[in-house]
Amino acid sequence: DAGVTQSPTHLIKTRGQHVTLRCSPISGHKSVSWYQQVLGQGPQFIFQYYEKEERGRGNFPDRFSARQFPNYSSELNVNALLLGDSALYLCASSASGTENQPQHFGDGTRLSIL
Amino acid sequence: EDQVTQSPEALRLQEGESSSLNCSYTVSGLRGLFWYRQDPGKGPEFLFTLYSAGEEKEKERLKATLTKKESFLHITAPKPEDSATYLCAVGPKRDTYSGGYQKVTFGTGTKLQVIP
Repeated sequence: DAGVTQSPTHLIKTRGQHVTLRCSPISGHKSVSWYQQVLGQGPQFIFQYYEKEERGRGNFPDRFSARQFPNYSSELNVNALLLGDSALYLCASSASGTENQPQHFGDGTRLSIL
Repeated sequence: EDQVTQSPEALRLQEGESSSLNCSYTVSGLRGLFWYRQDPGKGPEFLFTLYSAGEEKEKERLKATLTKKESFLHITAPKPEDSATYLCAVGPKRDTYSGGYQKVTFGTGTKLQVIP
């Protein structure tokens, strides 16, 4: 079975631009979470979606938004990009999205802001 | 606020030299503690979930244990292919249940290098 897939794998943008990152969860998984990982740090929680509804939001500005589609795939949108948004953006899926369930991660989108 | 602290930040071992990685956590109540392995340029790969103090899980050369305040990842006779960053994460209990909520807090990881 396919794991979590993310696209694109790499992206270069300039300050002020907008970006959309995409994620397809493991088949049968209804929960998708997004994380930002800066070099040398652990992943930081951005959003969680379950059954197409936002269930959790981390400490990120309103420039960050996301949605989940009927097929459970998800998009992360970031507006007005800043240099500090350069990071690896990870998507993770789990079956029912509760705190005692492990999440399975994709290999991320490496976003570089010039 | 939930906190996860991992130590050491980096660890260099000779092949066959056993050691342990530490994960200390502060949460209001624990629903699950997770260990992941992350290779450079890749996403974290799930290793273990531990649910309650005293629990242990093993996989090949890795063994994870849990107490009320910390978890250890023991690596027995490591090989060069065990070189990676090992991440610990906690899923806290919440007072109210709204279904399908999964805010997990990660530590900064331990970078392990195993030298042949």
